[in-house]
Amino acid sequence: KAGVTQTPRYLIKTRGQQVTLSCSPISGHRSVSWYQQTPGQGLQFLFEYFSETQRNKGNFPGRFSGRQFSNSRSEMNVSTLELGDSALYLCASSAGTANTEAFFGQGTRLTVV
Amino acid sequence: DAKTTQPTSMDCAEGRAANLPCNHSTISGNEYVYWYRQIHSQGPQYIIHGLKNNETNEMASLIITEDRKSSTLILPHATLRDTAVYYCIVRVVSGGSNYKLTFGKGTLLTVNP
Repeated sequence: KAGVTQTPRYLIKTRGQQVTLSCSPISGHRSVSWYQQTPGQGLQFLFEYFSETQRNKGNFPGRFSGRQFSNSRSEMNVSTLELGDSALYLCASSAGTANTEAFFGQGTRLTVV
Repeated sequence: DAKTTQPTSMDCAEGRAANLPCNHSTISGNEYVYWYRQIHSQGPQYIIHGLKNNETNEMASLIITEDRKSSTLILPHATLRDTAVYYCIVRVVSGGSNYKLTFGKGTLLTVNP
C-alpha cells in the first residue's frame, strides 16, 4: 500500500511569491491535514480537510489556504511569501473517523529567500 | 485538547528497554493518548494509541495509569534506529470528529551503543 506522497520535496522561493504544495493521501483515506514545522515553533497544525470540506483550521494568517479534490488529494497554497514561512510542511492522511491514526508524508522543505 | 508534559531528553543503551513517560493530568474521558516519533527531518511516524487499557503492537507497548493522568511508552529492545523525538499527544475522539494533532516539544530519545 503506497504511503502519503508530498511533492515537491524541496522548494526555494523568493519573498512575495506564492507557492502550492501537493499531498496525495493513502488510498481510501478521506482526511488530509497539514502542519508546519519550524525550529522555533515546532509542529503546528494548519488545517484539515475531509471529503473536500475544511473541518478545522489552525491559527495561521489568511495567506495560508488549502483545498481538497474529489480524489482526496490536497493542495496547500501560501501567498505573498515571507522569510518566516521557511519551514518543513507536512501532510497527514487518515481515514478521518474516530479512533484512527494519521500517517505523515516526508514533507516539503520550503526555503524563502 | 489536554496538555501533555514530557522530559526534554532521555538516554537508553542499545538492547535495553526504553521507557518514555508522559503526564496528561487534565485528560478528559473522551481523549485518547497517541504516540508519534520523528526521526530527524522525516515526517512523524505513528507508534501506538490507547484510551485506558494497555496496548501493544509490533513497535511498542503503551501503559496508561488507572486514573489516566499519565502514560508510559515502552520500546522493549531499543536500537540505534529508535533515536528520535517522541511525541505524546492527547486527542479528542468522537464520532466524525475532525482530525487534529497538537504536538508539544516531545522527548529526544538517544539510544547509545
